[in-house]
Amino acid sequence: GAGVSQSPSNKVTEKGKDVELRCDPISGHTALYWYRQSLGQGLEFLIYFQGNSAPDKSGLPSDRFSAERTGGSVSTLTIQRTQQEDSAVYLCASSLGRSRGFKWYTEAFFGQGTRLTVV
Amino acid sequence: GENVEQHPSTLSVQEGDSAVIKCTYSDSASNYFPWYKQELGKRPQLIIDIRSNVGEKKDQRIAVTLNKTAKHFSLHITETQPEDSAVYFCAASNIQGAQKLVFGQGTRLTINP
Repeated sequence: GAGVSQSPSNKVTEKGKDVELRCDPISGHTALYWYRQSLGQGLEFLIYFQGNSAPDKSGLPSDRFSAERTGGSVSTLTIQRTQQEDSAVYLCASSLGRSRGFKWYTEAFFGQGTRLTVV
Repeated sequence: GENVEQHPSTLSVQEGDSAVIKCTYSDSASNYFPWYKQELGKRPQLIIDIRSNVGEKKDQRIAVTLNKTAKHFSLHITETQPEDSAVYFCAASNIQGAQKLVFGQGTRLTINP
């Protein structure tokens, strides 16, 4: 597809279960972000992948959260032993992430998000 | 690392008036400053951005100004319309250093008819 795709769109899970959220970035984009957005709140940074560099995991709120990016493309955010406070919309974004000569390909494109509800 | 502060958190203006949202950043190496608009229930989308080699950029009713010395940048919306109602996020990064985008906390803008 032409845009960033996230699945599932909605996920309801029981407290204590593990969940996996998937992000398909735009083809060729080297930078990939995960953010969390609680109702009416801002964009909470979780993790950043850039090419082959070690990911910036500084935003992950606890060791229950982890993310992978396989082959520099698809990313999976995993939340183990979910808690009610994990309920939020999880947004993925990707960008080309680099400049070529004088032109910068910098726009970050967001997916539609996964709404996670922990009951 | 970079830290971006955004003010105000909420802003209400009469239709037709101007709205200004301000952001400050901490890392002098940051050189790219985009603004995103998020309408209710939708994903954030880029509306305008500015690089550190210019002080101002305008696109129709939207303009962004940058003061590198003071490390602050602002979004100006003139002749506001109801469809401008949304949450606006500023961000900063050192794009040449492939550093991550750091977002401000967001401003909920409401245009009153």
